[in-house]
Amino acid sequence: GESVGLHLPTLSVQEGDNSIINCAYSNSASDYFIWYKQESGKGPQFIIDIRSNMDKRQGQRVTVLLNKTVKHLSLQIAATQPGDSAVYFCAENIPGNTPLVFGKGTRLSVIA
Amino acid sequence: DAEITQSPRHKITETGRQVTLACHQTWNHNNMFWYRQDLGHGLRLIHYSYGVQDTNKGEVSDGYSVSRSNTEDLPLTLESAASSQTSVYFCASSPLGDTEAFFGQGTRLTVV
Repeated sequence: GESVGLHLPTLSVQEGDNSIINCAYSNSASDYFIWYKQESGKGPQFIIDIRSNMDKRQGQRVTVLLNKTVKHLSLQIAATQPGDSAVYFCAENIPGNTPLVFGKGTRLSVIA
Repeated sequence: DAEITQSPRHKITETGRQVTLACHQTWNHNNMFWYRQDLGHGLRLIHYSYGVQDTNKGEVSDGYSVSRSNTEDLPLTLESAASSQTSVYFCASSPLGDTEAFFGQGTRLTVV
């Protein structure tokens, strides 16, 4: 499949451990944030989103935390599995009818 | 099921040729986007459209053009392919500006 990014920050975790992937976003006016997962050879897939009026949102095995004070977003994956190995991107929506702005991504490698 | 499809999945072309990459979505989304993905750069926006007859330049639009004659399609044209345009191209669509974008599977373009 396609090589998404050999020079991306990489996080290696043991299978079963929790993973935390961080993202610093660019604009204090951003009002909506998304985490995407991209597996090798595929397009990015939606994982979870959060709006700026919230600071935490939980999904199945995933939690997104938003800290607007320091413009920081994190994705927590509980009980990480080999299938979680992928590149993870955060994206922010800046109000004003502009497209989503994507971060450069973090590669998650799960060690069995 | 509604979906977004890109074609071709792989393309090899020669420098100087005109190339068109197809993107078709069946969600009836108003917004459509083209990104390129390269090592170390994440997803970079090429062009986008917020509806029929609407097109806008993204951060890396030089050498590319798009047209939006209907809701379903946003073809991306490389006017005169250059080796620097060797990349993986992703098309995406969304119903509104502050909602998730759905991505196609990507087109790997090699310019020789």
